[in-house]
Amino acid sequence: QSALTQPASVSGSPGQSIAISCTGTSSDVGGYPYVSWYQQHPGKTPKLMIYDVTIRPSGVSNRFSGSKSGNTASLTISGLQAEDEADYYCSSFASSDTLVFGGGTKLTVL
Amino acid sequence: EVQLLESGGDLVQPGGSLRLSCAASGFTFNSYAMNWVRQAPGKGLEWVSAVSGSGTSTYNADSVKGRFTISRDNSKNTLHLQMNSLRAEDTAVYYCAKSILAGLHYYAMDVWGQGTTVTVSS
Repeated sequence: QSALTQPASVSGSPGQSIAISCTGTSSDVGGYPYVSWYQQHPGKTPKLMIYDVTIRPSGVSNRFSGSKSGNTASLTISGLQAEDEADYYCSSFASSDTLVFGGGTKLTVL
Repeated sequence: EVQLLESGGDLVQPGGSLRLSCAASGFTFNSYAMNWVRQAPGKGLEWVSAVSGSGTSTYNADSVKGRFTISRDNSKNTLHLQMNSLRAEDTAVYYCAKSILAGLHYYAMDVWGQGTTVTVSS
């Protein structure tokens, strides 16, 4: 159960688009359509932004989108806003019926 | 309003035991799988365990297998995590979290409690 690999940090200016990658293996990201993305502001609880690779829960802005290619999933945020500054975590269903999270990515809005 | 409220966190010595609880309200509890997820101080999220809506199926991370037991009491809308043989590396905030989809799907969590803090130290 190795953690999924995410960049430690990404940054962008307001209005720009950024993408956060999440790399796993064929035993997790590449093997199942169950990748999720969470946003966590400092001192707050995680918020689900994307599940089952591409689905946005009700109430989540359509500026957030998810995709997957092979063993790598991505979260794209378009029209970057100051309130998007937070930590982002990916997770995936994995073999042995477990879930695995990525190490997290700190998004800075310049 | 859907709510989850954890309790039971405490300071415990290495090798000790603790039982966490999570009281759920605002949704049909037995229709949804439930998870425990933890976050060590200054660290990322780590999935711990999941249980099906009926309670008959449970799933655990390798790091806690054989030490932690997840269970639920659907008559009381309550989720539990029995933690035995605790280690320093189990120190974390423990969140209970509801699956977004009813049924067996436990792969994504849309409602999280505020967390309860477990500290393992002598």
